[in-house]
Amino acid sequence: QVTLRESGPALVKPTQTLTLTCTLSGFSLNTREMCVSWIRQPPGRALEWLALIDWDNNKYYSTSLKTRLTVSKDTSKNQVVLTMTNMDPVDTGTYYCARTVYSGGWNGLDSWGQGTLVTVSS
Amino acid sequence: YDLTQPPSVSVSPGQTARITCSGDSLSKRYAYWYQQKPGLAPVLVIYKDNKRPSGISGRFSGSSSGTTVTLTISGVQAEDEADYYCQSADSSATPYVFGAGTTVTVL
Repeated sequence: QVTLRESGPALVKPTQTLTLTCTLSGFSLNTREMCVSWIRQPPGRALEWLALIDWDNNKYYSTSLKTRLTVSKDTSKNQVVLTMTNMDPVDTGTYYCARTVYSGGWNGLDSWGQGTLVTVSS
Repeated sequence: YDLTQPPSVSVSPGQTARITCSGDSLSKRYAYWYQQKPGLAPVLVIYKDNKRPSGISGRFSGSSSGTTVTLTISGVQAEDEADYYCQSADSSATPYVFGAGTTVTVL
């Protein structure tokens, strides 16, 4: 059974760096075609894709946020880590990690974590 | 948003709901649809324009024509009340773009 679980701080201060961890179960990023994305959702608003890392350690970032984001993986722990610098109150929202299988192209996000709410406030 | 969805759709139980999503990228790339209920993570309900993942009700179907894709929910039930998001790829370097979402209300 494929599961993903996000973890990290619930509250960060403006200008701080946010670090979130996604722990994978039921699959590995060592396996060809496996990819993990980060997506966020401000309260009452739409989904926004942030970043993706694939089995071959290729990384992709949202054009509008690429200067603030870093995604990495620790295959020994079966984890994916997202860091976002210079946090601002507008970054408040629920952050999700999700899996996709790259099969002949980018596919849908077929498994999602439950999400973790991050509030940015002083 | 590069993908345009109507903000809301209202439908009576048993009727058919259709949600459209428009964008230039849709003529070249597949569309995906997600259902999100309050407080829960999104769930993939349609992939590659018109394919249904295992476990998703047959009442959900997808279609594509040019730069517009459509999610159809047949025989709508109260449990279908949710937000629905279309998603595609912007380019090979931007694998995921979401629409603004459509709230389906069952009257």
